[in-house]
Amino acid sequence: AQSVTQPDIHITVSEGASLELRCNYSYGATPYLFWYVQSPGQGLQLLLKYFSGDTLVQGIKGFEAEFKRSQSSFNLRKPSVHWSDAAEYFCAVGGGAQFYFGTGTSLTVIP
Amino acid sequence: GAVVSQHPSWVICKSGTSVKIECRSLDFQATTMFWYRQFPKQSLMLMATSNEGSKATYEQGVEKDKFLINHASLTLSTLTVTSAHPEDSSFYICSARDAAAGRDDEAFFGQGTRLTVV
Repeated sequence: AQSVTQPDIHITVSEGASLELRCNYSYGATPYLFWYVQSPGQGLQLLLKYFSGDTLVQGIKGFEAEFKRSQSSFNLRKPSVHWSDAAEYFCAVGGGAQFYFGTGTSLTVIP
Repeated sequence: GAVVSQHPSWVICKSGTSVKIECRSLDFQATTMFWYRQFPKQSLMLMATSNEGSKATYEQGVEKDKFLINHASLTLSTLTVTSAHPEDSSFYICSARDAAAGRDDEAFFGQGTRLTVV
């Protein structure tokens, strides 16, 4: 069955520190993988996506993610977090008929 | 990038009334649109898949008579919550796929609609 797991419900980091948000997936076919960010009361904004090719993908706002097929993971990283990065982050897998979303990771950034 | 506009952003309605939410693809044609519901602090739950010119496909457990979906054109899908009750209060988000330009598997999301039923 298709599913996405985001093990960390909530993460707190200091501004300027590095960040890694974990995502593991289960998908029957070659996955299309996405990371979205959601600010309070807002819709979802695409940060980056992986369809094929280079397993390290660059996104907007300085984010990157690495696809590791052997680990069924697609972790999101940022070398230096800014206060404006505080939001909810969702990993998703799919394409085609529908998307499967993880439960999200809430990021708090402290000064 | 492709833009999906959702209207209204928020709405308050009385219990028993109906509310219509619109989802428009502004600069592309969307043969397929998706409607999601999001409870506080939770992920998105797919409610239904809307295909232009045909009936929507509802996920298990979603009442099709309560959540009416119409996708009459390639740029507009509507979700009508009929006879709304307080338990229908939620954040509803639509998304659309651009079938052209090789972007068939990327979905673009609207900004969401906060529905409060009092």
